[in-house]
Amino acid sequence: DVKVTQSSRYLVKRTGEKVFLECVQDMDHENMFWYRQDPGLGLRLIYFSYDVKMKEKGDIPEGYSVSREKKERFSLILESASTNQTSMYLCASSPSSGRVETQYFGPGTRLLVL
Amino acid sequence: KQEVTQIPAALSVPEGENLVLNCSFTDSAIYNLQWFRQDPGKGLTSLLLIQSSQREQTSGRLNASLDKSSGRSTLYIAASQPGDSATYLCAVEGRNTGFQKLVFGTGTRLLVSP
Repeated sequence: DVKVTQSSRYLVKRTGEKVFLECVQDMDHENMFWYRQDPGLGLRLIYFSYDVKMKEKGDIPEGYSVSREKKERFSLILESASTNQTSMYLCASSPSSGRVETQYFGPGTRLLVL
Repeated sequence: KQEVTQIPAALSVPEGENLVLNCSFTDSAIYNLQWFRQDPGKGLTSLLLIQSSQREQTSGRLNASLDKSSGRSTLYIAASQPGDSATYLCAVEGRNTGFQKLVFGTGTRLLVSP
């Protein structure tokens, strides 16, 4: 089974702190994604990556950056956390197999910025 | 811009009922449409994926249909059980949005009472 793990289930941070959210997948997937999920807005794509050291902006990249130094790990960075970044953050991965593939999601990190 | 809408936002039914969840999308140029399930505070689990050339997909008590020309999909759940209680999300991978970039609806929260 594909397993996508996220470093924390719950995080509480202060405004202005630098925050790292880590995601690791164990299935050698090329594609990795970061979403945030807010009530009434659904899931929105923040950043994604098709390969190591590659990154592409999603729909809402402002205030975030990412790092992908190894194929299995995709990190989301909040350079200076703000209260409007309080949200549920979901990581996903998928293979580039040439076939139509779904995305496999981690359990999520619920971040509260005070 | 692709928009995905799910109706109803919430649904409560007694155990044993058959039910239909609806999903509509504005841009019919899609690669595929997917249905996911999300349990409270958890990540997403893929249920069914329908490619643009397909009309329906079935898995156990679940049947998803796709009418690309009208921009609609339905998820039919037969003989509902309390364990089906969750939020159901549909997502579209569009040709004009980009490969593997999913646009999500805001979900239908289903409660099946014993």
